[in-house]
Amino acid sequence: DTGVSQDPRHKITKRGQNVTFRCDPISEHNRLYWYRQTLGQGPEFLTYFQNEAQLEKSRLLSDRFSAERPKGSFSTLEIQRTEQGDSAMYLCASSLVSPSGNTIYFGEGSWLTVV
Amino acid sequence: QKEVEQDPGPLSVPEGAIVSLNCTYSNSAFQYFMWYRQYSRKGPELLMYTYSSGNKEDGRFTAQVDKSSKYISLFIRDSQPSDSATYLCATLRRDSWGKFQFGAGTQVVVTP
Repeated sequence: DTGVSQDPRHKITKRGQNVTFRCDPISEHNRLYWYRQTLGQGPEFLTYFQNEAQLEKSRLLSDRFSAERPKGSFSTLEIQRTEQGDSAMYLCASSLVSPSGNTIYFGEGSWLTVV
Repeated sequence: QKEVEQDPGPLSVPEGAIVSLNCTYSNSAFQYFMWYRQYSRKGPELLMYTYSSGNKEDGRFTAQVDKSSKYISLFIRDSQPSDSATYLCATLRRDSWGKFQFGAGTQVVVTP
């Protein structure tokens, strides 16, 4: 499977615990994105990287959230001191920047439930 | 007000009918337009992508963009029960490459 891979697919955690999600993008893609999706809503932008540089962060990304892409390949999204409001699906996506377009391809998502 | 508006549905159609979906957007800076299909508890899957006004066809799918009206549409011909899913429209500004704006999605149910 050469698509975007996310791990774990499901995570149940107690409030106050830290969680980390990993994303492996499509191998030749240089852009990597994190989105969050709650029930009945479309994905909301959190942040994105071009290679290892984090180029933009949403105001949704509070200081409890941190994302890294240390070698310009895989990325991690860490949520510290989780709250019930963090329960959502965290989607990773990747794209290849080219003159012809900028479409993004999503992984299957990581479901987070904070109890 | 959200930058991309989409009727949440559900939209129920009989098998074989044409499914008509649409979105409106508020910002004329949006240059790129996409439709995604999302099955329950799965990630969105890219269906169609366009960056100009007019029609784009791919098999049973036709995407239509009217930039003057800020209106985008997706038509699915000869609908099948396997087309039952949530359909998301998405837009992108030329000066904000990474920040895709999504509609809330329209749930479609195709009944046999």
